[in-house]
Amino acid sequence: QLQLQESGPGLVKPSETLSLTCTVSGGSISSSSYYWGWIRQPPGKGLEWIGSIYYSGSTYYNPSLKSRVTISVDTSKNQFSLKLSSVTAADTAVYYCARHRVLMVRANWFDPWGQGTLVTVSS
Amino acid sequence: QSVLTQPPSASGTPGQRVTISCSGSSSNIGSNTVNWYQQLPGTAPKLLIYSNNQRPSGVPDRFSGSKSGTSASLAISGLQSEDEADYYCAAWDDSLNAVVFGGGTKLTVL
Repeated sequence: QLQLQESGPGLVKPSETLSLTCTVSGGSISSSSYYWGWIRQPPGKGLEWIGSIYYSGSTYYNPSLKSRVTISVDTSKNQFSLKLSSVTAADTAVYYCARHRVLMVRANWFDPWGQGTLVTVSS
Repeated sequence: QSVLTQPPSASGTPGQRVTISCSGSSSNIGSNTVNWYQQLPGTAPKLLIYSNNQRPSGVPDRFSGSKSGTSASLAISGLQSEDEADYYCAAWDDSLNAVVFGGGTKLTVL
């Protein structure tokens, strides 16, 4: 059974870079037809897709965050990572990683999800 | 302001059938498939419906999805107390080149 687990600092200072890692267990991150994605949820608010990566390193990002986001993959560790630069209080959220099934661009979904990790941006 | 529009709340009594709507446009729901996620209190979202009307293994057939034009709906029949959760619709948007979510609907079982 595939499981994903987010890890990283729970507190980041404004203007600094948020860094999180997602460790995949119970399956290979190098599986075809699957991307690996990051989604966030500010406290009490809805979901926002950040971006996704294929095991080859191919990425696509939410244009609203693209200038600040870098997603990378380490197949040897079965992990993928998120970096979000120049953070502000508006980036405070629960960050989820998830397997992103992409049959084609028009048909894609997230399943399963990690449990999420709260990252607070504050000095 | 979410790209996909959902009612903020919905409610029903045990055993009842409830529907949650998700309204979009030609660049998202109108041309791409819709997914639904269930988020129980304090937990991560879980895939409930994919590709408009497909249920992942383990999801009860009380949950069903449909799509017509630029709108989609999630129906829950035989409502149970454990269905109390937030529900989100999602789709790819061709204009934004992004996965977009609805704002979520909080379902209360009275």
